[in-house]
Amino acid sequence: GAVVSQHPSRVICKSGTSVKIECRSLDFQATTMFWYRQFPKQSLMLMATSNEGSKATYEQGVEKDKFLINHASLTLSTLTVTSAHPEDSSFYICSARGAPPYYEQYFGPGTRLTVT
Amino acid sequence: AQSVTQLGSHVSVSEGALVLLRCNYSSSVPPYLFWYVQYPNQGLQLLLKYTTGATLVKGINGFEAEFKKSETSFHLTKPSAHMSDAAEYFCAVSDGRNFNKFYFGSGTKLNVKP
Repeated sequence: GAVVSQHPSRVICKSGTSVKIECRSLDFQATTMFWYRQFPKQSLMLMATSNEGSKATYEQGVEKDKFLINHASLTLSTLTVTSAHPEDSSFYICSARGAPPYYEQYFGPGTRLTVT
Repeated sequence: AQSVTQLGSHVSVSEGALVLLRCNYSSSVPPYLFWYVQYPNQGLQLLLKYTTGATLVKGINGFEAEFKKSETSFHLTKPSAHMSDAAEYFCAVSDGRNFNKFYFGSGTKLNVKP
């Protein structure tokens, strides 16, 4: 159980375009979803937290107008990188958590974004 | 505030040898502690977790970890390493009041030599 999928797994886009990444919880209802960014050989950096039907809460330093997050249902959250630039190239990982008392986060397989 | 320190960014062991990955945390409240494993170009998989109760927790793939409050540690061990254990391991802490905040350590890359 507790499977989280992400789509696409890899995406290459041109500078200035927008890219949408989907995160789905396949076998449970995710009241909360998280988006992380991971730089090469580094740990995960939390970008934002989203609750179904609410606006996302962004971490300090993360541009909310650049990284648009929508948590439209209990099984789907999307991250849209708007007007992408090469410095946005990274590995983006989502995670999902059900309602308490489920404390752990279940992670998706990640999306490798390359902006050329 | 919570933080996690993983000593040793790279650990190398021989197949069959003991695996010990170190994790120390700081937390102003009783912590919830997790170990995750990440294979190349993949997301994180939960190995084990400590929330309350028994301080020695067993996880998947033969791993276990012991919560030692006095030492603020949550080291990960496995008696006998297998080649398939080669991966990156992350320790994470969250507090009991704000499950949204997971603080990850910098990770330890485990290499298993034949």
